[in-house]
Amino acid sequence: EAGVTQFPSHSVIEKGQTVTLRCDPISGHDNLYWYRRVMGKEIKFLLHFVKESKQDESGMPNNRFLAERTGGTYSTLKVQPAELEDSGVYFCASSQVFRNSYNEQFFGPGTRLTVL
Amino acid sequence: AQRVTQPEKLLSVFKGAPVELKCNYSYSGSPELFWYVQYSRQRLQLLLRHISRESIKGFTADLNKGETSFHLKKPFAQEEDSAMYYCALSAGGTSYGKLTFGQGTILTVHP
Repeated sequence: EAGVTQFPSHSVIEKGQTVTLRCDPISGHDNLYWYRRVMGKEIKFLLHFVKESKQDESGMPNNRFLAERTGGTYSTLKVQPAELEDSGVYFCASSQVFRNSYNEQFFGPGTRLTVL
Repeated sequence: AQRVTQPEKLLSVFKGAPVELKCNYSYSGSPELFWYVQYSRQRLQLLLRHISRESIKGFTADLNKGETSFHLKKPFAQEEDSAMYYCALSAGGTSYGKLTFGQGTILTVHP
């Protein structure tokens, strides 16, 4: 089992460009989460998918960020246009569907985004 | 809204010494509390959760609702414990599953 995978591992782009991050969850995990850690700050929740539906997108910073999960498998997070403050590490996590209890979230290695 | 605070950014101890990583939270309901750890060049992973009340790698954490704390403790630190530790909270209701993290504490255990 490869675990949660993320691509790319590192992306360097210029302000105003577009970047798309991809996350492949563990097979069979219906819950998929995106988090972000900006330099010097804590890891912050961005959004949560249950299968292909957005369960909670309260953490999305603004409309420059678009997340999709077509078919309920892998997910993409697009930033368009990127700004300097978007630099950070973007984590993806997945878990099985919970039944009135918390199920452990398994994290990917993260994508380090640098906006110049 | 929920909040998690880890007052120490850095913590250094010597091998064999006791270690305590502090975590305080604020949340009006009944949260689930967790400790996640990230070792060098590894991904973030769950260390332990308050509901399971178990000891993992010699670490324990007790949820103190009166003090709203969930401090992580180990009586005898080992060099391999050096890592970044995050305290996290999961609220119930529609927020179920979403984790709120503290700022993290870098633990260094010296030989």
